[in-house]
Amino acid sequence: DADVTQTPRNRITKTGKRIMLECSQTKGHDRMYWYRQDPGLGLRLIYYSFDVKDINKGEISDGYSVSRQAQAKFSLSLESAIPNQTALYFCATRPTGGGNTGELFFGEGSRLTVL
Amino acid sequence: GNSVTQMEGPVTLSEEAFLTINCTYTATGYPSLFWYVQYPGEGLQLLLKATKADDKGSNKGFEATYRKETTSFHLEKGSVQVSDSAVYFCALKYNFNKFYFGSGTKLNVKP
Repeated sequence: DADVTQTPRNRITKTGKRIMLECSQTKGHDRMYWYRQDPGLGLRLIYYSFDVKDINKGEISDGYSVSRQAQAKFSLSLESAIPNQTALYFCATRPTGGGNTGELFFGEGSRLTVL
Repeated sequence: GNSVTQMEGPVTLSEEAFLTINCTYTATGYPSLFWYVQYPGEGLQLLLKATKADDKGSNKGFEATYRKETTSFHLEKGSVQVSDSAVYFCALKYNFNKFYFGSGTKLNVKP
């Protein structure tokens, strides 16, 4: 089983619908991230969290919200989806302290299509 | 600001050909540099990294050297295989928690 699990892996929805993407990890890492991948643009940071009580906006947070329900769970919500939010979304984790090599550990991605 | 620029793809090579994917960066201070690889249908995974100038990262036959004077971190492999077909991302880490990714370069290796 994957250490960083994202659900759903694929989702098609309509404009105006509320969507939640979920991420859970078994790596015991404190830091969790949500990225968006668009063709030709690479990955852009939406939100990140250092722990359950610490949530931070990334470079493209408008139109998104997040919830860190537990150390292992970090959810991304689109309150009212719009077509330009069609993208591939990745959750990532990273440890702090002595286990921190700078590496990010990614989930397999959630492909969202907004019609 | 900080940014990463990598060559556009796709790059198409025959098996056993030499690979170079260019990556240059703009950053203040001394970032750490990374190459991530994304195989079809999967998330990104770390391929190699370098944390200071003149360091060489290497893994699975791939190499990249952190060149501060040219602000570059080009990825190379002497003999690619079909199994190397993937999208490759150059990235930098600035301060403790800020990551910047390039746009990705798709590599297709033909038998």
